[in-house]
Amino acid sequence: NAGVTQTPKFQVLKTGQSMTLQCAQDMNHEYMSWYRQDPGMGLRLIHYSVGAGITDQGEVPNGYNVSRSTTEDFPLRLLSAAPSQTSVYFCASAQTLSSYNSPLHFGNGTRLTVT
Amino acid sequence: AQSVTQPDIHITVSEGASLELRCNYSYGATPYLFWYVQSPGQGLQLLLKYFSGDTLVQGIKGFEAEFKRSQSSFNLRKPSVHWSDAAEYFCAVAAALLNYGGSQGNLIFGKGTKLSVKP
Repeated sequence: NAGVTQTPKFQVLKTGQSMTLQCAQDMNHEYMSWYRQDPGMGLRLIHYSVGAGITDQGEVPNGYNVSRSTTEDFPLRLLSAAPSQTSVYFCASAQTLSSYNSPLHFGNGTRLTVT
Repeated sequence: AQSVTQPDIHITVSEGASLELRCNYSYGATPYLFWYVQSPGQGLQLLLKYFSGDTLVQGIKGFEAEFKRSQSSFNLRKPSVHWSDAAEYFCAVAAALLNYGGSQGNLIFGKGTKLSVKP
């Protein structure tokens, strides 16, 4: 039972490079989201998706793109990495937006360093 | 704007002692409140949640939390701490997403409280 799988676990980029953080879930969840976690800041919502083909911006979307071509996958793209994007990134999914019987499941995170 | 405050950055308790982690929220409507735990190198795991009804909610691993509307608080408690409880704990309130509403689309997290347990 894999749950939410994020790859890679660690990544170092140079400023200006691009990369894609992968997120896959095998629970047939409609809702998927990306958060970033910075020391002393808690987690902040970057982008989210309520289903295949539907995405929207969260609290801190600048510098990131997402797409949702399948229910299972929700990749996060950094088009031109900046040091301010050094962070730990978490993908989360839930059956629906209503959480009474559908809690958020988090992946184990991707630690990204931009030099 | 919605916000969550966890006033304690780091707490140390002895194994077997009781624990209370504080959480205060700011939210105009009836809040949906959550406590998550994060072990080092891991994602977040839901401990418990409050939507409505009984203000004392039970969660996993022996944790409970009490919602106090008059104090805008949702403190997490455990009567006897185990060494395996050492982790970081996050309180969160759900804010409706602009286009979709929903009860957990946008979780506003506190900055976390790191719990250390002394043997």
